[in-house]
Amino acid sequence: SQQGEEDPQALSIQEGENATMNCSYKTSINNLQWYRQNSGRGLVHLILIRSNEREKHSGRLRVTLDTSKKSSSLLITASRAADTASYFCATDTKYSGAGSYQLTFGKGTKLSVIP
Amino acid sequence: ETGVTQTPRHLVMGMTNKKSLKCEQHLGHNAMYWYKQSAKKPLELMFVYSLEERVENNSVPSRFSPECPNSSHLFLHLHTLQPEDSALYLCASSQASGRTLYYTRNEQFFGPGTRLTVL
Repeated sequence: SQQGEEDPQALSIQEGENATMNCSYKTSINNLQWYRQNSGRGLVHLILIRSNEREKHSGRLRVTLDTSKKSSSLLITASRAADTASYFCATDTKYSGAGSYQLTFGKGTKLSVIP
Repeated sequence: ETGVTQTPRHLVMGMTNKKSLKCEQHLGHNAMYWYKQSAKKPLELMFVYSLEERVENNSVPSRFSPECPNSSHLFLHLHTLQPEDSALYLCASSQASGRTLYYTRNEQFFGPGTRLTVL
C-alpha cells in the first residue's frame, strides 16, 4: 500500500479563498515533502519539513506536520488561478535492508482555483 | 526552469521499436532518478543512479534499460514495450548526502517529462 495519501482527491475553490490539503502516511518518516505539478508537466518542489519540525512557511504556503497522527497539511492562502495544479506529498520510505530510502508519492490532490 | 531537461517531450513508438529518453541536469547533483507516472496511479520510482552507479532498481521490466555515462546525463533505453508502458516518464536529480547517500534528505528537481505512447 502507498505511504502517503492525500485528501481530498479534488478541491475546487474561488480565487482569494484558502485551500487546505491533507496527507496521511503509515510508517515513521525522517521528512515529508510537498510538490506541485501543473497538468502534464514535471513536479516542482514546494516545501520539505523534517520530522522534528511542526510547522513551516514559504510565502503563501504553510505546512504542518503531526508525527503522532502521521499526518501533514498544506495550506495555500489567498489562492490564485495560477495555483491550479495537482499537489503531492512525498515521504521517505526505507527501500531495502541496505538502509537506503526512496521518496514515495501519493496520488495527489487536484486543486482548481476559479477566477 | 528547474535545471533538469528531458528530450524528447513526446514520443510515439510501436511495440517493436527501440528508442531512448535523455535527461540532463545542470545543478551539479550527484543522484539522478527515473520515475513513471501513469494515469490514476502514484508516481513510481524506476531507477536511482548515484555517482554514476545504479543503486536501486524497483523491479522494473528488462525492456527498460537505464544508462548513466556521467553525473549530468541519464538515459532510459526502451525496447519491445507494451501499450501499458504508455505514461509520462520523469527524470529528477538531487544532492544525496551522508555516508550512505541518503537520497531523500533534500528536495528533488524534476524535468518536464517525456509523454510516451506505445501503439
